[in-house]
Amino acid sequence: DQQVKQNSPSLSVQEGRISILNCDYTNSMFDYFLWYKKYPAEGPTFLISISSIKDKNEDGRFTVFLNKSAKHLSLHIVPSQPGDSAVYFCAAKVDSGNTPLVFGKGTRLSVIA
Amino acid sequence: GAVVSQHPSRVICKSGTSVKIECRSLDFQATTMFWYRQFPKQSLMLMATSNEGSKATYEQGVEKDKFLINHASLTLSTLTVTSAHPEDSSFYICSAFNRATPYEQYFGPGTRLTVT
Repeated sequence: DQQVKQNSPSLSVQEGRISILNCDYTNSMFDYFLWYKKYPAEGPTFLISISSIKDKNEDGRFTVFLNKSAKHLSLHIVPSQPGDSAVYFCAAKVDSGNTPLVFGKGTRLSVIA
Repeated sequence: GAVVSQHPSRVICKSGTSVKIECRSLDFQATTMFWYRQFPKQSLMLMATSNEGSKATYEQGVEKDKFLINHASLTLSTLTVTSAHPEDSSFYICSAFNRATPYEQYFGPGTRLTVT
């Protein structure tokens, strides 16, 4: 039973346009959500996060939106750049303690020049 | 951000041998480290949680006698794949929990294991 779902395995966007990556979750106990970026044969790199008490967090070109009632979050990248091409993983956590992250399956983003 | 290293980055071994992978937190003390495994085009699957000074907690379906985890210090955890078989070939990634930033985990660069 997957608690964090990324239903789009891939996404292709033109350079300069907005990329929207979606993530749904089922566990209402999750209170913190993170997005990681991953290149092949490398470890994930932290991108941006959001606490469940917020509905939006922005950092430069990256914005994460959280809709708790729908158990849905999304990552917006604008403007998209070719260097953004990577696999993006959505992850969730139940508390601030040393509990592991639960990951989605990832979405491969391709930004076309 | 915090830095986590893994060694080796890539290893090829023969079937039946054992391989040790090291995970180090370079600029913080990690009381807890996590070991993940990733198959091609798949998500990161948690294998085990490693707590300093105590036994690791393994996820369902992960053989603790095959994947030995030792977390002897606050900056080092090791994963030993014993009697490796070709089906153990995978990308292994560790991450570390930093109390200073409790909601984040910092990942190592991963180790590509190929068993021939």
